[in-house]
Amino acid sequence: EADIYQTPRYLVIGTGKKITLECSQTMGHDKMYWYQQDPGMELHLIHYSYGVNSTEKGDLSSESTVSRIRTEHFPLTLESARPSHTSQYLCASSESGGQGLHEQYFGPGTRLTVT
Amino acid sequence: AQSVAQPEDQVNVAEGNPLTVKCTYSVSGNPYLFWYVQYPNRGLQFLLKYITGDNLVKGSYGFEAEFNKSQTSFHLKKPSALVSDSALYFCAVRDPTSGNTPLVFGKGTRLSVIA
Repeated sequence: EADIYQTPRYLVIGTGKKITLECSQTMGHDKMYWYQQDPGMELHLIHYSYGVNSTEKGDLSSESTVSRIRTEHFPLTLESARPSHTSQYLCASSESGGQGLHEQYFGPGTRLTVT
Repeated sequence: AQSVAQPEDQVNVAEGNPLTVKCTYSVSGNPYLFWYVQYPNRGLQFLLKYITGDNLVKGSYGFEAEFNKSQTSFHLKKPSALVSDSALYFCAVRDPTSGNTPLVFGKGTRLSVIA
């Protein structure tokens, strides 16, 4: 079944640790996105990619980095986690083409807590 | 530039009554408009979109939205609200003439349906 997956769903980690949040999709979508969202609040786009070896920074300044080596995989890495990184991280993907008429599909999210 | 506004942070409605969640947009051309719903501890789910054609768009779970170009609005509606409709709703816009830019999301409106 075509879907978008995020692991882990929940993560509690200490300050200074390096973490990677995983996102994979089986829909063959070229476009992928990372959003940061505090619970019940607005979405902030932090990174996006329109294909392999393409990454762009979003509207919200973030200390995270991303890579896109394979179409289906778009991991997000924090080199040194801080309490200010505590939030929910949502991954999404969409088809390309059509001048952007395609909707985005979202993963279930990763709830990150940095102690 | 493209932007979208959801003027209400919270909407309360009694079960069985009609509901409306408001959205207005600003784009230089004809917009692509989307509605998403987010249940607690979940990612966003796509509800419906307007690309072109009939101004009344029908979507999932009995929701519909009406595109009004003169009022630059795309309000989400449902004839009879259910308690299970209680969630966070996001409107999003893309200007197809803006190149390869990602969707712009509103800040969200929390809908509470009271039994």
